[in-house]
Amino acid sequence: EVQLVESGGGLVQPGGSLRLSCAASGFTVSSNYMSWVRQAPGKGLEWVSVIYSGGSTYYADSVKGRFTISRHNSKNTLYLQMNSLRAEDTAVYYCARDNIAVAGRETYYYGMDVWGQGTTVTVSS
Amino acid sequence: DIQMTQSPSSLSASVGDRVTITCQASQDISNYLNWYQQKPGKAPKLLIYDASNLETGVPSRFSGSGSGTDFTFTISSLQPEDIATYYCQQYDNLPLYTFGQGTKLEIK
Repeated sequence: EVQLVESGGGLVQPGGSLRLSCAASGFTVSSNYMSWVRQAPGKGLEWVSVIYSGGSTYYADSVKGRFTISRHNSKNTLYLQMNSLRAEDTAVYYCARDNIAVAGRETYYYGMDVWGQGTTVTVSS
Repeated sequence: DIQMTQSPSSLSASVGDRVTITCQASQDISNYLNWYQQKPGKAPKLLIYDASNLETGVPSRFSGSGSGTDFTFTISSLQPEDIATYYCQQYDNLPLYTFGQGTKLEIK
């Protein structure tokens, strides 16, 4: 079964750090694009970061320089290292698989088709 | 940055009604648009990709259309289990994705 399971959320003080994990089963993380998406309480979805199968990483302006996305291939796990946390980072964080298909030099994108259940991060003193 | 504007922000309809949600992009995004459904306390679920293609396993009462800057998401006959918030997402500007602000659908 294709599945993503997040962990690592919790309560952290402003300025603190936290590392989220997203364990995948049923598919290979390193062969896919993988994203983190967050949702602040009562708010909409906000894309946070993506790691491409080739290893390139990209970030939303709101987290650039503070968050780092990475993966551990042998553990088939995606990570999000969050530093210098702020109150506005409080949210449920989801990991998601970006469904892609590669044909020659072209990459076709078909949406985020597998999502984890989410892990809650609360930044508060 | 590409901005996505959904309307309405909330909607109340009766079971069996035809429901339509629109999403407008701040610039031409071709057909690079997805639609997601999020039920309370749950993760989002992909319903439509490439503006009009139904994800495998999604009921045929859901559909999407549009290209360029104007897109429409339709539920042909609203069912009680369709109560959720719906989001559009553009991916013309990869690797930077943008979601619309969401449309909360309730039963009248």
